[in-house]
Amino acid sequence: DVQLVESGGGLKKPGGSLRLSCAASGFTFRSAWMSWVRQTPGKGLEWVGRIKSKADGETTDYAAAVKGRFTISRDDSKNTMSLQMNSLKTEDTAVYYCTTEPGFLGNWGQGTLVTVSA
Amino acid sequence: QSVLTQPPSVSGAPGQRVTISCTGSSSNIGAGYDVHWYQQLPGRAPKLLIYANNNRPSGVPGRFSGSKSGTSASLTITGLQAEDEADYYCQSYGTIFSGPKWVFGGGTRVTVL
Repeated sequence: DVQLVESGGGLKKPGGSLRLSCAASGFTFRSAWMSWVRQTPGKGLEWVGRIKSKADGETTDYAAAVKGRFTISRDDSKNTMSLQMNSLKTEDTAVYYCTTEPGFLGNWGQGTLVTVSA
Repeated sequence: QSVLTQPPSVSGAPGQRVTISCTGSSSNIGAGYDVHWYQQLPGRAPKLLIYANNNRPSGVPGRFSGSKSGTSASLTITGLQAEDEADYYCQSYGTIFSGPKWVFGGGTRVTVL
């Protein structure tokens, strides 16, 4: 079975940095496109960004709200994806989900909570 | 404010049919991009319910169906059950000046009366 496990969430002050990880198993990770999606407390879903497979150039795309501050990377040898979040803002407070792509978001992790507050 | 528009809530009695709309624009649904639907049970992560407008992943009950026309899509639950009480989100793809992006609806809370 596909399993995605996020980790690294926590409490940070505005302007700080945090790195989230997603450990994947149950599928051929190196061939997968992966995305991060976040959900603010009590609100809806927002796509954060994605990374394509190495075979497809390992290119990344980001939502306008995080472009230039967040960076997605992957380590196919460890079946992990990371989200480096810099210059955090209070509006980045959300549960962050790791998902599989492409097209639709077929599999989701359980999410990790990031709180940005002074 | 979400790019795709959904009603905040819909309700129905057990056994009834409910439909959730998802309205987009010529930049996303109307551009021909597929619409996908997700179900989020209370306290859980979202789960894929319908993909590519009207396809159900293995394990999703047949009472869930989807359709798409023009700049809109809809999710229908035929024969509503108590366990269907959840939040439902539509998702599509859009292109803006800063590049491609996935877009979501604001979610619809389904209440079983």
